[in-house]
Parts: sequence; structure tokens; C-alpha cells
Amino acid sequence: AQRVTQPEKLLSVFKGAPVELKCNYSYSGSPELFWYVQYSRQRLQLLLRHISRESIKGFTADLNKGETSFHLKKPFAQEEDSAMYYCALSNSYGQNFVFGPGTRLSVLP
Amino acid sequence: DGGITQSPKYLFRKEGQNVTLSCEQNLNHDAMYWYRQDPGQGLRLIYYSQIVNDFQKGDIAEGYSVSREKKESFPLTVTSAQKNPTAFYLCASSILGPNTGELFFGEGSRLTVL
Repeated sequence: AQRVTQPEKLLSVFKGAPVELKCNYSYSGSPELFWYVQYSRQRLQLLLRHISRESIKGFTADLNKGETSFHLKKPFAQEEDSAMYYCALSNSYGQNFVFGPGTRLSVLP
Repeated sequence: DGGITQSPKYLFRKEGQNVTLSCEQNLNHDAMYWYRQDPGQGLRLIYYSQIVNDFQKGDIAEGYSVSREKKESFPLTVTSAQKNPTAFYLCASSILGPNTGELFFGEGSRLTVL
């Protein structure tokens, strides 16, 4: 069965500290992996996807097929990174999206 | 201004009443989706549609109904059969095709049943 897990409901770090939001998935086949972010009072939006291999707002995520993980990382957290983060997957045709339960990141001053 | 528009933002309903949430997109996207967002449960798929006049049940379709008479519109009706309708509802759309997957979301509609 397709499933996305995010073990941390809440993650608190201090400004300037490294942050890693964990995401694991189960999928039969080759999924596309995404991170979506929801800032306070803003709509849910795409942060990054694994096929782009790009860094957005200092965040990166590496797909580890062996560990079926897609952890989101940033070396130095900023207060404006505080938000709700969702890991998600789809098939290669952009169908059948599955979302994880989300991790709320709180960056403390 | 392109995007997805959901209305109303806030809605109150008495028990036993049906209510319809509107979702319109002018992005010319093929697919449209309705999700329910509850704290600690992430986004759960209610219904989706990949083409006009066709739609499929998601994981939690019971107590909900949809229609897709036009490409740009995908209204969701929360019926009185939905046992726990108080929630935040998100509509999304996407292009279908290889390596195109990205969901574009509306601002959401918060339904409260009194």
C-alpha cells in the first residue's frame, strides 16, 4: 500500500541550528516525491520535488531509494521557516497523491 | 489573476443540512481534487476528477458528493450523512503527464457544524 510517514508531529529548533524533517514512504514502483509547505495564513504550496534536484529557500531533500526516505534538510534554520511541512508522493504521471501527516516546524529566536 | 478560488472561506451549518463548497480554477488543469485537512492527520483525499463528467472516490468519500460538469469547476457537497463534517477543506488542481506533478491549492474552506 502507498503510504507516507512523518514521525515528528512537532519539531522545534533554535534559529541558526540545522534542521531535518524526516519522511519515509512505501510504494510499489518509482514514485515522485515532494515537500509541500503551509506558512501561517497562506495556502499550501510546493516547496520542492526530488526530480528537480534544486535547493529552495536553503532547503534540500535527497531521495534514498534504499531506505525509502526523502528527508528535508536545511543547514541554518530561520524564523521564517516556521510552518507546517508535508511530505507527499505521486506516481510518475502526477496521479494518486498521498500525503504524510505533516510536521510542524517551529524555529525559536 | 490565475489560480484556484474556493468559497466560502467560512461556513456554518446546522446538523442535518447539506452544504456545497465551491472550487473554481482558471489554470486549465485537467485534474481537480478535494482534500480534508484535520490536525495530526494530514490531508486525506475525498474525491478527485481527471476529466469532465468523470470523478473517482478517494479514501474518505462517504458522506460527500461531487460533480464535474465543467473543466474549471469541481464543487463538493457535504451531506447530512457525513458523520463528522466539521473540518478544513482544500481544493487542488494539477496538470497530468510525466514529470508534471504539482498540486496547486486553494485557500480552503472551514466548515463548522453547529
